[in-house]
Amino acid sequence: SQQGEEDPQALSIQEGENATMNCSYKTSINNLQWYRQNSGRGLVHLILIRSNEREKHSGRLRVTLDTSKKSSSLLITASRAADTASYFCATDANNAGNMLTFGGGTRLMVKP
Amino acid sequence: DVKVTQSSRYLVKRTGEKVFLECVQDMDHENMFWYRQDPGLGLRLIYFSYDVKMKEKGDIPEGYSVSREKKERFSLILESASTNQTSMYLCASSGGGGGYGYTFGSGTRLTVV
Repeated sequence: SQQGEEDPQALSIQEGENATMNCSYKTSINNLQWYRQNSGRGLVHLILIRSNEREKHSGRLRVTLDTSKKSSSLLITASRAADTASYFCATDANNAGNMLTFGGGTRLMVKP
Repeated sequence: DVKVTQSSRYLVKRTGEKVFLECVQDMDHENMFWYRQDPGLGLRLIYFSYDVKMKEKGDIPEGYSVSREKKERFSLILESASTNQTSMYLCASSGGGGGYGYTFGSGTRLTVV
């Protein structure tokens, strides 16, 4: 069953612009993670934010978490054509590392 | 460079065949997972294992079985392949306890004809 739902499903922007993707979830979580998937490949872990954190940065990535609204956002600043990929949020509800539930993903296209 | 290796990138099998998908990780991770990914349905968990010889059903275990005889290897078995099992299969592993991301393999695109 899908816990997270990403919005929008698809996003097309120009190189240099910022890209924002949102994720909503239904139940309480211990942490929320964002992954990237290039076409036809496996997923790559980008960033993890714990339930007691509100914002986290990693390079050009900025993730926010609002547990009261059960939502998270991923911001990619100064996007590049190489950022073209699908982005998934995933929620860890039991903090045991063995039950991560993925959303449906946002397909991001960055035009050069 | 630590990684998860799936034995095949592309596989074509006939209906009714028994199919083995192999996954090996070199990170000494306790947890291993098999997902399938289909357009519009996202990633769905088939089975996972939190220890050698242990397995737990995920959301869609029907038609599949798994084997974990060694810590580093987690095999997915399609007992009798059917066309509705045509999909991208993704293996992942994670360390024990929460707070860590998954490491995924490159995926196996299986076509059942």
